[in-house]
Amino acid sequence: GAVVSQHPSRVICKSGTSVKIECRSLDFQATTMFWYRQFPKQSLMLMATSNEGSKATYEQGVEKDKFLINHASLTLSTLTVTSAHPEDSSFYICSASGESGRKTQYFGPGTRLLVL
Amino acid sequence: AQKITQTQPGMFVQEKEAVTLDCTYDTSDPSYGLFWYKQPSSGEMIFLIYQGSYDQQNATEGRYSLNFQKARKSANLVISASQLGDSAMYFCAMREGHNAGNMLTFGGGTRLMVKP
Repeated sequence: GAVVSQHPSRVICKSGTSVKIECRSLDFQATTMFWYRQFPKQSLMLMATSNEGSKATYEQGVEKDKFLINHASLTLSTLTVTSAHPEDSSFYICSASGESGRKTQYFGPGTRLLVL
Repeated sequence: AQKITQTQPGMFVQEKEAVTLDCTYDTSDPSYGLFWYKQPSSGEMIFLIYQGSYDQQNATEGRYSLNFQKARKSANLVISASQLGDSAMYFCAMREGHNAGNMLTFGGGTRLMVKP
């Protein structure tokens, strides 16, 4: 299947700082990328959908000014958690779909964020 | 209203036996896709199997098969000959429409534990 990478895999930061997470589709052009958040022992919750070259569409309850999403190219989307707080600590996982992802989205390996 | 329901928070199965993980869904869209993903403790989401709403036959992928009962709106995952490595969280998901750029909605997940 197609390969999606995420960087970093783990990050620990201080409260009030910003953290950027990158999601890359390595072997296909991802016209759409999705960002999910998963708290321990819970399911994946969609945060936002981004299409290359346009503004992201955020799910209800997700602050667009806090979770900045950029999808500037067909292979890269970034999620920036601005002014992070301990309650933002979570597992963030991206997925990508495109020409070669007709049936499924391909998921990145995820990023564990811990805000102290 | 819940679109995807997984009623089994946890399941045990003896190694080498078969196990069925339940999933029911709710949609008024005649065109949809159903997915199962495996999430081991590492956090990555591994795509297992896909069933389209118009597919005439139940999907199979190796030891995985999907028991698709359209009238009952159920899409249970059957894992045959369970292995210790099958121990993980399993998520059922639905995409309304067949566009790969449409969002996935996930169920709450089932934790499968395979006993030696």
